[in-house]
Amino acid sequence: DTEVTQTPKHLVMGMTNKKSLKCEQHMGHRAMYWYKQKAKKPPELMFVYSYEKLSINESVPSRFSPECPNSSLLNLHLHALQPEDSALYLCASSQLIGPRPGELFFGEGSRLTVL
Amino acid sequence: DQQVKQNSPSLSVQEGRISILNCDYTNSMFDYFLWYKKYPAEGPTFLISISSIKDKNEDGRFTVFLNKSAKHLSLHIVPSQPGDSAVYFCAASRISSGSARQLTFGSGTQLTVLP
Repeated sequence: DTEVTQTPKHLVMGMTNKKSLKCEQHMGHRAMYWYKQKAKKPPELMFVYSYEKLSINESVPSRFSPECPNSSLLNLHLHALQPEDSALYLCASSQLIGPRPGELFFGEGSRLTVL
Repeated sequence: DQQVKQNSPSLSVQEGRISILNCDYTNSMFDYFLWYKKYPAEGPTFLISISSIKDKNEDGRFTVFLNKSAKHLSLHIVPSQPGDSAVYFCAASRISSGSARQLTFGSGTQLTVLP
């Protein structure tokens, strides 16, 4: 199983809503990532979890709240978002030790639209 | 400050010919380099990688070359096939906090292989 599964694939929310994006992997990877990608731009790192602990937060606004309940799951809780937060949110996972460091396995992404 | 740059937003190549995609980086802390391929509405998928201690890595039709002194890498695809048409992202990896690796992407090159 080499898949990273993200749900939902599409999400439309108002600025006052609270919603969550979910990500799951069963490859035994101990690093999990959230990236944000706007149209015609590269993926931008938001958060990194290693061994279920938040290790990198790239100065992301607090309206985005990550959570790693266990080594297979990663959530991104969304609250009071702005229209400019509309983007493709990509989850990824990787080994922390291995022959190909930095090889991330990406999910298909969750397309978020904030009205 | 863009640490990984792909200066060609697009490239068109005839089927059967060689495609050469270029990438430059500025941060000397990067020690592993990867190429990802992305189709619309999908997450990036890993293509090929190279460690900073090597200057060439080959996998079938794909070869990545690294010139560490020039901080430049390139991806060669030969022969190019129409199915190779996609956006190609160069990425550079370095160790960050918590043993996780931080991956920085270039802006991508849209490759179109013409039949």
